[in-house]
Amino acid sequence: AQSVTQLGSHVSVSEGALVLLRCNYSSSVPPYLFWYVQYPNQGLQLLLKYTSAATLVKGINGFEAEFKKSETSFHLTKPSAHMSDAAEYFCAVSVDTGRRALTFGSGTRLQVQP
Amino acid sequence: NAGVTQTPKFQVLKTGQSMTLQCAQDMNHNSMYWYRQDPGMGLRLIYYSASEGTTDKGEVPNGYNVSRLNKREFSLRLESAAPSQTSVYFCASSEAGGGRPYEQYFGPGTRLTVT
Repeated sequence: AQSVTQLGSHVSVSEGALVLLRCNYSSSVPPYLFWYVQYPNQGLQLLLKYTSAATLVKGINGFEAEFKKSETSFHLTKPSAHMSDAAEYFCAVSVDTGRRALTFGSGTRLQVQP
Repeated sequence: NAGVTQTPKFQVLKTGQSMTLQCAQDMNHNSMYWYRQDPGMGLRLIYYSASEGTTDKGEVPNGYNVSRLNKREFSLRLESAAPSQTSVYFCASSEAGGGRPYEQYFGPGTRLTVT
């Protein structure tokens, strides 16, 4: 079975600073990996996805993530934080067998300080 | 194109009451899912439906039942609500199969409180 660990339930950065949200996965077969964002009182919106085509994946709103198989990681980064980036971020994994549902990490709440 | 819609948005139940959460998608997706979201636990899969006419249990199915009414609609029923079912419920849908990544599209959620 697959699993996801997000290190840091809360991350606080200053506006303009680098954003780094950590995600490590466990899977016995090649994974598909996703980052979703949830703004207050809203559903989840896809930021980006890893489909095995390229290890560096670019998403919406200036976010990107790099798949590192040797480290079983898929960390999310953004060079310069904006106040509008304040939200909760979820990393998720899916595999091409069985139920094919997403397994989510516990989430990281990003706070952006002015 | 409304995507995934859910009703109701909010609901308060007393312990022991029953209710059905409705979900519909207009993207012609085969697969549909019900998740619950609790603080510090991410989203956990309750039930899913790989295709019309099929349903299967997820991680936390106890206390719930589902119906895949047709390709568009997937409902979640609480037969006898308990305070432990206080949560935010999300419905999602996706295409599946053919080696494609399983990106899921989420509805806006139903916030349920059981007193």
